[in-house]
Amino acid sequence: RKEVEQDPGPFNVPEGATVAFNCTYSNSASQSFFWYRQDCRKEPKLLMSVYSSGNEDGRFTAQLNRASQYISLLIRDSKLSDSATYLCVVLDSGGYQKVTFGIGTKLQVIP
Amino acid sequence: GAGVSQSPSNKVTEKGKDVELRCDPISGHTALYWYRQSLGQGLEFLIYFQGNSAPDKSGLPSDRFSAERTGGSVSTLTIQRTQQEDSAVYLCASSLATGENTEAFFGQGTRLTVV
Repeated sequence: RKEVEQDPGPFNVPEGATVAFNCTYSNSASQSFFWYRQDCRKEPKLLMSVYSSGNEDGRFTAQLNRASQYISLLIRDSKLSDSATYLCVVLDSGGYQKVTFGIGTKLQVIP
Repeated sequence: GAGVSQSPSNKVTEKGKDVELRCDPISGHTALYWYRQSLGQGLEFLIYFQGNSAPDKSGLPSDRFSAERTGGSVSTLTIQRTQQEDSAVYLCASSLATGENTEAFFGQGTRLTVV
């Protein structure tokens, strides 16, 4: 089983729609979680951290479910500019704090 | 510098030649990662450094690939006897790796083309 799993998509949604992505992780001791965004032919950049209690940043909401070992990203009122690949990222605890990236979920927002 | 710097930004090489890719992480970042990404594909993990040691080399695809890091700073990824399937963007990232909310910062990558 992969350490971090995501549905690669693509998710094609109309402008204004709400879309949600899930990501599962295999290490129950994982410490921290993030969503990164990667635009076409660009490097990934941090979108938001994911806190245990869930957190919101404008139209974006991130949630963590430790019991089921998944995190989610909800995008409300999708904009054309939201089109990108969204990468799920997990930081493992322990002596070596390794960051593991999922393969990414591609989102295409259609006019 | 302010961010992660990679060089060269583009490299075209002939099949069978060796190449060296360089990564300058953000100053003070102890963790350093190499990934590669083929066109339209996800990130493929290659190797992870904590300081100068590499606790996880599991992603290196063959013994033609090697990496080192010196002084807890600059890292070099070497590919020997390059093959066409090595063509990809090679991304380097660094982080403080000190606990929660540890953001990994990426360089802009080296686009390698093997002809």
